[in-house]
Amino acid sequence: NAGVTQTPKFRILKIGQSMTLQCTQDMNHNYMYWYRQDPGMGLKLIYYSVGAGITDKGEVPNGYNVSRSTTEDFPLRLELAAPSQTSVYFCASIRTGRSYGYTFGSGTRLTVV
Amino acid sequence: AQKVTQAQTEISVVEKEDVTLDCVYETRDTTYYLFWYKQPPSGELVFLIRRNSFDEQNEISGRYSWNFQKSTSSFNFTITASQVVDSAVYFCALWTNFGNEKLTFGTGTRLTIIP
Repeated sequence: NAGVTQTPKFRILKIGQSMTLQCTQDMNHNYMYWYRQDPGMGLKLIYYSVGAGITDKGEVPNGYNVSRSTTEDFPLRLELAAPSQTSVYFCASIRTGRSYGYTFGSGTRLTVV
Repeated sequence: AQKVTQAQTEISVVEKEDVTLDCVYETRDTTYYLFWYKQPPSGELVFLIRRNSFDEQNEISGRYSWNFQKSTSSFNFTITASQVVDSAVYFCALWTNFGNEKLTFGTGTRLTIIP
C-alpha cells in the first residue's frame, strides 16, 4: 500500500514548455485533488475529481488541465508553462464520506524559468 | 464561504518553552471538521489531528494539545516543552459540506525552536 504517489519530485521547465505531473493512489479513494503551494503561502485548490470521468475546477485552475480516466490516476497537465506556475504541487485523495484528513502525496517542486 | 485565518506568520521560541498557534475559522455550515497539519523542512504534509464541530472536548496527545472553542470559532494548537524537531510550518484547515469535501487551508505559521 503505497498511498499517494507523485512523480516527478522536482522539475525545471522553460517558459512555454508543457508537462504532466503524475498522481496515483492505491487506496481506492474516489475523491482526488491537486493543490499548489506558493512560497510562504497555504495550499490552494487547482482541480478536483469526485470519481473517474468527473473533474471540476478549484480556486486557481487557469493554466492547468486534468483528466480522470481511472480511479487510481489523476494527472495534472501544464500546457504553456509560465513563471507564475513555479510552485510546489500536492496531490491528495480521500474516500467519500470519510472526512478524516486527506492523504497527501510528497509533492512536486516545479520551477519555470 | 469558508475561511481559515492564522494570524501568526512566524513564531520563534527557545527550546522547552510552551507555544500556542492560533487558528480562527469562518463557516456557515453547522457540520464541519477542523484539521492541523505539520509541514517539516522536508516538505511533506503530516496529518496531526481532526476535530468535528460537535465535539468541543480538548484533545491532548503527548506534548500536543488542541483547544476547540465554537463560541470564538477558534481551534488553537499548543506544544508543551517544545523541541527542535517541532520546527516546521503548521497549517490549520477547514472542511465543510458546502466545500464539497475540499479542505480550505490557512496560510500557515512557521515555528522555529531555538536550541
